[in-house]
Amino acid sequence: GAVVSQHPSRVICKSGTSVKIECRSLDFQATTMFWYRQFPKKSLMLMATSNEGSKATYEQGVEKDKFLINHASLTLSTLTVTSAHPEDSSFYICSARDRGTNTGELFFGEGSRLTVL
Amino acid sequence: ILNVEQSPQSLHVQEGDSTNFTCSFPSSNFYALHWYRWETAKSPEALFVMTLNGDEKKKGRISATLNTKEGYSYLYIKGSQPEDSATYLCAFKGTYKYIFGTGTRLKVLA
Repeated sequence: GAVVSQHPSRVICKSGTSVKIECRSLDFQATTMFWYRQFPKKSLMLMATSNEGSKATYEQGVEKDKFLINHASLTLSTLTVTSAHPEDSSFYICSARDRGTNTGELFFGEGSRLTVL
Repeated sequence: ILNVEQSPQSLHVQEGDSTNFTCSFPSSNFYALHWYRWETAKSPEALFVMTLNGDEKKKGRISATLNTKEGYSYLYIKGSQPEDSATYLCAFKGTYKYIFGTGTRLKVLA
Protein backbone atom coordinates (compact mmCIF):
# COMPACT_ATOMS: atom_id res chain seq x y z
CA GLY A 1 0.00 0.00 0.00
CA ALA A 2 0.92 3.64 -0.27
CA VAL A 3 3.30 4.91 2.38
CA VAL A 4 3.57 8.35 3.91
CA SER A 5 6.57 9.15 6.03
CA GLN A 6 6.46 11.98 8.55
CA HIS A 7 9.31 13.23 10.65
CA PRO A 8 10.42 14.06 13.17
CA SER A 9 8.18 11.85 15.28
CA ARG A 10 9.05 13.81 18.39
CA VAL A 11 10.55 17.23 18.82
CA ILE A 12 11.21 19.35 21.85
CA CYS A 13 12.11 22.96 21.35
CA LYS A 14 12.47 26.18 23.25
CA SER A 15 9.84 28.86 23.14
CA GLY A 16 10.44 31.28 20.28
CA THR A 17 12.13 28.83 17.94
CA SER A 18 10.66 27.47 14.71
CA VAL A 19 10.09 23.81 14.01
CA LYS A 20 9.68 22.15 10.63
CA ILE A 21 7.77 18.91 10.15
CA GLU A 22 8.05 17.00 6.89
CA CYS A 23 5.49 14.78 5.25
CA ARG A 24 6.61 12.64 2.31
CA SER A 25 4.70 10.28 0.08
CA LEU A 26 7.23 7.53 -0.61
CA ASP A 27 5.70 5.55 -3.46
CA PHE A 28 3.01 7.74 -4.94
CA GLN A 29 2.37 11.30 -6.01
CA ALA A 30 0.18 13.45 -3.83
CA THR A 31 -1.23 16.64 -5.28
CA THR A 32 -3.09 17.21 -2.04
CA MET A 33 -1.89 16.71 1.50
CA PHE A 34 -3.72 17.52 4.70
CA TRP A 35 -2.35 18.70 8.02
CA TYR A 36 -4.15 17.93 11.25
CA ARG A 37 -3.69 18.76 14.87
CA GLN A 38 -4.96 16.59 17.68
CA PHE A 39 -5.60 17.82 21.19
CA PRO A 40 -5.81 15.27 24.02
CA LYS A 41 -8.95 13.16 23.77
CA LYS A 42 -10.16 15.14 20.79
CA SER A 43 -10.58 14.27 17.14
CA LEU A 44 -8.15 15.11 14.37
CA MET A 45 -8.73 18.75 13.53
CA LEU A 46 -7.98 19.80 9.98
CA MET A 47 -5.61 22.75 9.97
CA ALA A 48 -5.01 23.20 6.28
CA THR A 49 -5.08 21.59 2.89
CA SER A 50 -1.78 21.68 1.08
CA ASN A 51 -1.86 21.82 -2.69
CA GLU A 52 1.22 21.15 -4.79
CA GLY A 53 2.45 24.27 -6.48
CA SER A 54 -0.04 26.63 -4.89
CA LYS A 55 -0.89 28.23 -1.58
CA ALA A 56 -2.35 26.13 1.19
CA THR A 57 -5.97 26.55 2.18
CA TYR A 58 -6.27 27.17 5.90
CA GLU A 59 -9.23 26.32 8.06
CA GLN A 60 -10.98 29.05 9.99
CA GLY A 61 -9.10 29.98 13.12
CA VAL A 62 -5.74 28.63 11.98
CA GLU A 63 -3.09 31.34 11.68
CA LYS A 64 -1.34 30.97 8.36
CA ASP A 65 1.62 33.07 9.50
CA LYS A 66 2.02 30.82 12.50
CA PHE A 67 1.72 27.54 10.65
CA LEU A 68 3.55 27.86 7.36
CA ILE A 69 2.81 25.15 4.85
CA ASN A 70 4.85 24.49 1.75
CA HIS A 71 4.07 21.84 -0.86
CA ALA A 72 6.84 22.32 -3.37
CA SER A 73 6.73 18.90 -4.98
CA LEU A 74 4.32 16.05 -5.57
CA THR A 75 5.89 14.05 -2.77
CA LEU A 76 6.72 16.56 -0.05
CA SER A 77 4.76 18.94 2.13
CA THR A 78 6.21 20.74 5.14
CA LEU A 79 4.59 22.39 8.13
CA THR A 80 6.65 24.99 9.96
CA VAL A 81 5.50 26.14 13.36
CA THR A 82 7.01 29.59 13.62
CA SER A 83 8.01 31.21 16.88
CA ALA A 84 6.61 28.28 18.78
CA HIS A 85 5.05 28.76 22.21
CA PRO A 86 3.96 26.23 24.82
CA GLU A 87 0.36 26.42 23.60
CA ASP A 88 1.55 25.07 20.24
CA SER A 89 2.54 21.83 21.96
CA SER A 90 0.42 19.17 20.35
CA PHE A 91 0.29 16.15 18.08
CA TYR A 92 0.47 17.00 14.38
CA ILE A 93 -0.24 14.49 11.63
CA CYS A 94 -0.37 14.65 7.85
CA SER A 95 -2.28 12.65 5.29
CA ALA A 96 -2.26 12.44 1.52
CA ARG A 97 -4.39 11.22 -1.32
CA ASP A 98 -2.88 9.17 -4.12
CA ARG A 99 -3.52 11.06 -7.34
CA GLY A 100 -3.20 7.79 -9.25
CA THR A 101 -6.24 6.15 -7.66
CA ASN A 102 -9.80 7.19 -7.01
CA THR A 103 -10.49 5.18 -3.86
CA GLY A 104 -10.57 8.35 -1.82
CA GLU A 105 -8.74 6.79 1.08
CA LEU A 106 -6.21 8.84 2.95
CA PHE A 107 -2.69 7.67 3.70
CA PHE A 108 -1.31 9.00 6.95
CA GLY A 109 2.09 9.75 8.32
CA GLU A 110 3.07 8.54 11.75
CA GLY A 111 2.50 11.91 13.36
CA SER A 112 4.78 14.33 15.17
CA ARG A 113 4.56 15.20 18.84
CA LEU A 114 5.75 18.73 19.46
CA THR A 115 6.65 19.93 22.94
CA VAL A 116 7.51 23.57 23.36
CA LEU A 117 9.26 24.43 26.61
CA ILE B 1 -21.46 22.82 12.68
CA LEU B 2 -20.81 19.37 11.27
CA ASN B 3 -20.23 16.76 13.93
CA VAL B 4 -19.05 13.17 13.79
CA GLU B 5 -19.66 11.15 16.93
CA GLN B 6 -18.26 7.76 17.80
CA SER B 7 -19.40 5.49 20.58
CA PRO B 8 -18.32 4.07 22.83
CA GLN B 9 -15.18 6.10 23.51
CA SER B 10 -13.42 3.00 24.74
CA LEU B 11 -14.13 -0.60 25.56
CA HIS B 12 -12.46 -3.73 26.78
CA VAL B 13 -13.49 -7.12 25.47
CA GLN B 14 -12.26 -10.62 26.08
CA GLU B 15 -10.41 -12.50 23.39
CA GLY B 16 -12.91 -14.33 21.22
CA ASP B 17 -15.77 -11.91 21.89
CA SER B 18 -17.44 -10.10 19.04
CA THR B 19 -17.95 -6.37 19.31
CA ASN B 20 -19.21 -3.38 17.40
CA PHE B 21 -18.99 0.40 17.49
CA THR B 22 -20.97 3.24 16.02
CA CYS B 23 -20.14 6.29 13.95
CA SER B 24 -22.81 8.98 13.58
CA PHE B 25 -22.44 11.65 10.94
CA PRO B 26 -24.44 14.34 9.13
CA SER B 27 -26.98 12.86 6.72
CA SER B 28 -26.73 15.76 4.28
CA ASN B 29 -24.02 16.46 1.70
CA PHE B 30 -22.69 12.94 2.10
CA TYR B 31 -19.86 11.84 -0.13
CA ALA B 32 -18.09 9.02 1.72
CA LEU B 33 -17.52 7.44 5.11
CA HIS B 34 -14.09 6.10 6.00
CA TRP B 35 -12.99 3.75 8.76
CA TYR B 36 -9.37 3.71 9.93
CA ARG B 37 -7.51 1.53 12.36
CA TRP B 38 -4.86 3.34 14.40
CA GLU B 39 -2.38 1.40 16.46
CA THR B 40 -0.22 3.23 18.96
CA ALA B 41 2.95 4.71 17.43
CA LYS B 42 1.84 3.79 13.93
CA SER B 43 -0.01 5.51 11.09
CA PRO B 44 -3.78 5.25 10.83
CA GLU B 45 -4.55 2.57 8.26
CA ALA B 46 -7.62 2.60 6.04
CA LEU B 47 -10.07 -0.23 6.62
CA PHE B 48 -13.01 0.77 4.49
CA VAL B 49 -14.19 3.58 2.24
CA MET B 50 -17.96 3.45 1.90
CA THR B 51 -20.01 5.56 -0.43
CA LEU B 52 -23.40 3.96 -1.05
CA ASN B 53 -26.34 3.73 1.30
CA GLY B 54 -26.70 0.12 2.39
CA ASP B 55 -23.05 -0.67 1.67
CA GLU B 56 -21.62 -3.59 3.57
CA LYS B 57 -17.90 -4.24 3.42
CA LYS B 58 -15.79 -6.96 4.94
CA LYS B 59 -12.10 -7.53 5.51
CA GLY B 60 -11.35 -10.75 7.34
CA ARG B 61 -13.08 -10.62 10.73
CA ILE B 62 -13.93 -6.94 10.40
CA SER B 63 -16.99 -5.65 8.60
CA ALA B 64 -18.87 -2.37 8.31
CA THR B 65 -22.31 -1.19 7.30
CA LEU B 66 -23.50 2.19 6.14
CA ASN B 67 -26.81 4.04 6.44
CA THR B 68 -26.52 7.45 4.83
CA LYS B 69 -30.20 8.35 5.23
CA GLU B 70 -30.05 8.19 9.01
CA GLY B 71 -26.36 9.04 9.25
CA TYR B 72 -24.68 6.10 10.92
CA SER B 73 -22.17 3.36 10.26
CA TYR B 74 -21.37 0.29 12.33
CA LEU B 75 -18.03 -1.46 12.52
CA TYR B 76 -18.10 -5.09 13.63
CA ILE B 77 -15.24 -7.27 14.79
CA LYS B 78 -15.94 -10.97 15.03
CA GLY B 79 -13.92 -13.12 17.41
CA SER B 80 -11.72 -10.29 18.71
CA GLN B 81 -8.00 -10.97 19.05
CA PRO B 82 -5.39 -9.07 21.07
CA GLU B 83 -3.91 -7.75 17.82
CA ASP B 84 -7.22 -5.99 17.14
CA SER B 85 -6.43 -3.63 20.01
CA ALA B 86 -6.29 -0.17 18.48
CA THR B 87 -8.25 3.04 18.08
CA TYR B 88 -10.86 2.87 15.34
CA LEU B 89 -11.54 6.20 13.66
CA CYS B 90 -14.33 7.11 11.32
CA ALA B 91 -14.22 10.08 8.98
CA PHE B 92 -17.11 11.72 7.16
CA LYS B 93 -16.35 13.15 3.76
CA GLY B 94 -18.76 15.90 2.85
CA THR B 95 -18.65 18.44 0.10
CA TYR B 96 -15.40 20.02 1.11
CA LYS B 97 -13.42 18.13 3.69
CA TYR B 98 -13.04 15.15 5.97
CA ILE B 99 -14.37 15.38 9.51
CA PHE B 100 -13.09 12.83 11.99
CA GLY B 101 -14.68 11.33 15.04
CA THR B 102 -12.75 11.04 18.30
CA GLY B 103 -12.34 7.31 17.82
CA THR B 104 -13.23 4.19 19.75
CA ARG B 105 -10.33 2.75 21.69
CA LEU B 106 -10.55 -1.04 21.77
CA LYS B 107 -8.57 -3.23 24.12
CA VAL B 108 -8.82 -6.97 23.64
CA LEU B 109 -7.81 -8.91 26.72
CA ALA B 110 -6.09 -12.26 26.27
